[in-house]
Amino acid sequence: EIVLTQSPATLSLSPGERATLSCRASQSVSSYLAWYQQKPGQAPRLLIYDASNRATGIPARFSGSGSGTDFTLTISSLEPEDFAVYYCQQRSNWPPTFGPGTKVDIK
Amino acid sequence: EVQLVESGGGLVQPGGSLRLSCAASGFTFSSYWMHWVRQAPGKGLVWVSRINSDGSSTSYADSVKGRFTISRDNAKNTLYLQMNSLRAEDTAVYYCARGPLTMINAFDIWGQGTMVTVSS
Repeated sequence: EIVLTQSPATLSLSPGERATLSCRASQSVSSYLAWYQQKPGQAPRLLIYDASNRATGIPARFSGSGSGTDFTLTISSLEPEDFAVYYCQQRSNWPPTFGPGTKVDIK
Repeated sequence: EVQLVESGGGLVQPGGSLRLSCAASGFTFSSYWMHWVRQAPGKGLVWVSRINSDGSSTSYADSVKGRFTISRDNAKNTLYLQMNSLRAEDTAVYYCARGPLTMINAFDIWGQGTMVTVSS
């Protein structure tokens, strides 16, 4: 089973600032990595699939990069609604696995 | 509107059973793989099970294998999860999620979740 590690665990930033979230895989997942956003009491929402492709309706301030074992989710300028928990997920190997999440909170 | 709505959660004693349902609307349900993903209180997301589009193939996480059964009724646009021999560690919000046609084992649409609590 592929283990995903996310850093930092918590990121404290102000609206308008740039957020950079990291996800590292225990072995190569090629580009088969997705990012999800989850707000309290809500279901996760797909943001990025296959490392760098924005899902339908996702604003351009969200971008993803990376391949192999190291991936990054960047939020170029934080909006108030972006404060949430972000999970990465790999679909390269069975079973699909998620990272532990990075919480982006308001500084 | 594309939508998934779960139901069937609740409080059950250890060793008991529960069946979750997920009603799909707004898309051609029979074309998509479907999944169950769970989230224990205050914890992260864990994939539980998946079923292919016609129901002929299923897979399970090791933690639920032999206890949980995923199924679907494409005529009713509904996904199910039969959970038997429930344990305290199965306590979680259970989400059904759609697998995109071009991305095996990703999840593009999620339901709102249904809470399952296993406790005496």
